[in-house]
Amino acid sequence: KNEVEQSPQNLTAQEGEFITINCSYSVGISALHWLQQHPGGGIVSLFMLSSGKKKHGRLIATINIQEKHSSLHITASHPRDSAVYICAVCPGGTSYGKLTFGQGTILTVHP
Amino acid sequence: EAQVTQNPRYLITVTGKKLTVTCSQNMNHEYMSWYRQDPGLGLRQIYYSMNVEVTDKGDVPEGYKVSRKEKRNFPLILESPSPNQTSLYFCASSTGLGPYNEQFFGPGTRLTVL
Repeated sequence: KNEVEQSPQNLTAQEGEFITINCSYSVGISALHWLQQHPGGGIVSLFMLSSGKKKHGRLIATINIQEKHSSLHITASHPRDSAVYICAVCPGGTSYGKLTFGQGTILTVHP
Repeated sequence: EAQVTQNPRYLITVTGKKLTVTCSQNMNHEYMSWYRQDPGLGLRQIYYSMNVEVTDKGDVPEGYKVSRKEKRNFPLILESPSPNQTSLYFCASSTGLGPYNEQFFGPGTRLTVL
């Protein structure tokens, strides 16, 4: 079993729909990242969370440390949101500098 | 412009021929890291560096070497490449002594080992 599990693996939506991508992890963590990989391959950081909730534009990320779960929400989805969304966790402790990734969620938003 | 650069962007080589992929950042970041991305396996960490002269293994370090002699540069060395190292490689950096801030990724290096 992977340390970081994302669901769903593939997600298709119509423009305007509300989207949720989930990330569950099995280890204690110090922080969690949400990344976006564009169809061209480039990766950008969306959020870094250690607790609570963050919002940037139409994107919202939440984390529940006790339940070892994070969600990424996209409101009013648009075709330009089509990308792969990747969750990554920082285990902390003796693995201070490590980063472990989920498999990614492929999102396709149709006009 | 703040950025992470990688060179080369594409490389086709043969088994056993030593190669180096360079990574450079102009943001004075302490933390730098290398990842490989493979279909079905996602991103996996190869090596990371907390600061100059401080490096440590990630999850898949076998067959790779790194060095951090200067803060801005973090080259990835494949002393004897093998076909199973064919992959898409990303370098990333962030401020602070660990991956606890926004990660800035390079554009990627697509390596094919024949």
